[in-house]
Amino acid sequence: DTGVSQDPRHKITKRGQNVTFRCDPISEHNRLYWYRQTLGQGPEFLTYFQNEAQLEKSRLLSDRFSAERPKGSFSTLEIQRTEQGDSAMYLCASSLAAQTHEQFFGPGTRLTVL
Amino acid sequence: EDKVVQSPLSLVVHEGDTVTLNCSYEVTNFRSLLWYKQEKKAPTFLFMLTSSGIEKKSGRLSSILDKKELFSILNITATQTGDSAVYLCAGDNTDKLIFGTGTRLQVFP
Repeated sequence: DTGVSQDPRHKITKRGQNVTFRCDPISEHNRLYWYRQTLGQGPEFLTYFQNEAQLEKSRLLSDRFSAERPKGSFSTLEIQRTEQGDSAMYLCASSLAAQTHEQFFGPGTRLTVL
Repeated sequence: EDKVVQSPLSLVVHEGDTVTLNCSYEVTNFRSLLWYKQEKKAPTFLFMLTSSGIEKKSGRLSSILDKKELFSILNITATQTGDSAVYLCAGDNTDKLIFGTGTRLQVFP
C-alpha cells in the first residue's frame, strides 16, 4: 500500500459526457502529479502541482482537461466532453518537492469512453 | 524535447533464462534514471541510478547507468514466471518523470 488513493477505480462514460477523478496523495507530500497511460505505452506526464500551485501542464493536454488542487491536499482531474481517445488509465503520484524520483503511484482510474 | 527509448518492446523467454533490457535517454536537467515494474496496476519502484558505472542489485535484478552514453540496462538472471511484467524506464528531469514505452517481458515455464 503506497498510500496514494484514487477514486473511482473504473469509470465508463459515453462520449460527450464530463468526468472527474480524485486523487488523495500521501499526506506530507507537497507535489502531486497526473499521468495518463494508454495500452502499450508508458505513463505520459499531464501536469503537476506543488502545494496548490499548478507548475506545469503538458502541451499535449487539451483545453478539455483541467486539474485543481485547491487546498494543497487532494486533487481533481476533470475531462469535459469526453472523446473515445481519452480512454486510458489515469495515474496519480505524489512526492516531496526535492525528491521527484521518489514518486509513489496510486492504483489509477481506468476510463473507458464509449 | 525529453525522450526515453526502451528496447526491445517485447521479450519472450523460458524460466531460467537471463534477459537484458535497454533504455536510452535524452532528458534535460537530468538527475536520475529509474526502473519500474508494472503488472496490470500502478508501477512499482525497482531502482534509482544517479552515478555512472555503479551497479545496483536487488536479488536477481541488477541495473547500471552510463551517463556518457545516456544509457541504462536492467538485467534479470534466472528468470521466473513471476517476472512477467512490463518494465518501465524513466528519466527524472528534476520536475517530473519522462517514461519510455516499456519492455513487455513474458516468462514461460
